[in-house]
Amino acid sequence: AQTVTQSQPEMSVQEAETVTLSCTYDTSESDYYLFWYKQPPSRQMILVIRQEAYKQQNATENRFSVNFQKAAKSFSLKISDSQLGDAAMYFCAYRSSNTGNQFYFGTGTSLTVIP
Amino acid sequence: GAVVSQHPSWVICKSGTSVKIECRSLDFQATTMFWYRQFPKQSLMLMATSNEGSKATYEQGVEKDKFLINHASLTLSTLTVTSAHPEDSSFYICSGLAGAETQYFGPGTRLLVL
Repeated sequence: AQTVTQSQPEMSVQEAETVTLSCTYDTSESDYYLFWYKQPPSRQMILVIRQEAYKQQNATENRFSVNFQKAAKSFSLKISDSQLGDAAMYFCAYRSSNTGNQFYFGTGTSLTVIP
Repeated sequence: GAVVSQHPSWVICKSGTSVKIECRSLDFQATTMFWYRQFPKQSLMLMATSNEGSKATYEQGVEKDKFLINHASLTLSTLTVTSAHPEDSSFYICSGLAGAETQYFGPGTRLLVL
């Protein structure tokens, strides 16, 4: 099974500053999808950003962007101009485009935003 | 993004009773739905994958007779915890697969078994 590793259990950032959350994964496949999900205190999982492995261009959604390094199997999330509402647990996830529908989640990074 | 609802959001029940949790995709058809369990400050643990009209596929260690999953339509899946016990107390989350790529999650159900 694929594994997804988030090596930072906790991170903090000053409001308005930039923070990067790291994620690495292990796979032998060439075609797959990567996701970042946010889980605020309400515990509702929210999709933040998605990246298709065949696309070289890094995905961007407003203040959120990724640094996708396919060869290194790295998929970091950059949050710019951090806001108090960004405080949450962030999960990185992997899904194969070939073998079934299962998603593999990392252990999560808890982000604190300091006012 | 696509919307998934989950009902109830909170349930307290006595040990030995059964509890049903509904998961609905409101604005898309989900041929595949997932059920997860999440313990405090931990990641999501996949319990089972359900495909509309067929039997669910359970992950290793998940008792299929205890956690009954039904996916009768493209917009509804249900999880029934049968003969619940205190160790079944947890946060249960469902999600629907929109298109071929992305999961959208319900808001979760907190189950407390006394």
